[in-house]
Amino acid sequence: DAMVIQNPRYQVTQFGKPVTLSCSQTLNHNVMYWYQQKSSQAPKLLFHYYDKDFNNEADTPDNFQSRRPNTSFCFLDIRSPGLGDAAMYLCATSRGRDAETQYFGPGTRLLVL
Amino acid sequence: RKEVEQDPGPFNVPEGATVAFNCTYSNSASQSFFWYRQDCRKEPKLLMSVYSSGNEDGRFTAQLNRASQYISLLIRDSKLSDSATYLCVVNGNNFNKFYFGSGTKLNVKP
Repeated sequence: DAMVIQNPRYQVTQFGKPVTLSCSQTLNHNVMYWYQQKSSQAPKLLFHYYDKDFNNEADTPDNFQSRRPNTSFCFLDIRSPGLGDAAMYLCATSRGRDAETQYFGPGTRLLVL
Repeated sequence: RKEVEQDPGPFNVPEGATVAFNCTYSNSASQSFFWYRQDCRKEPKLLMSVYSSGNEDGRFTAQLNRASQYISLLIRDSKLSDSATYLCVVNGNNFNKFYFGSGTKLNVKP
């Protein structure tokens, strides 16, 4: 059974047209993460939530926002996608105690036209 | 300096070979270390955690050297299905924050 679910799996948007990616989890984990991964690069952490506490990375562009309305769901909003935002977006969760393992969703591949 | 550094490879090895990857990390306060496997266009999947005493899971052995700040992954008797990118992951000062290496690509050839 899928534990971290991402929708959609593939998203095509136009330059400048807002897009929202969603992530849900059935693990009841405290921490949820959003990563951006471009081809042949390491996943880059954009932000993470510990419960409702939002932690933004210093180099995450303002164009990227996130919402976590409850434990199970987390959203990534890209307000004005540029061509450089085309990437795989990975959601992950962890229990949040003692730096434990992360569990990844299958990712959403974003294409910007 | 990057938080986590890996040799990108690729490592091209024949089936049955033994191959080893190293990964160095910069934060001496890091407490948790992992190896993840990532197949092309898929999400990373946990291969194994790395413990201070070293650990083994079948053909895979992971070691941690705190003094030199590196971790290693040894794969014995390589299979074609081992072909993937192997990501080294280390936690930061914030225990809930993880740093990824850029991955080492392994190609196992028949």
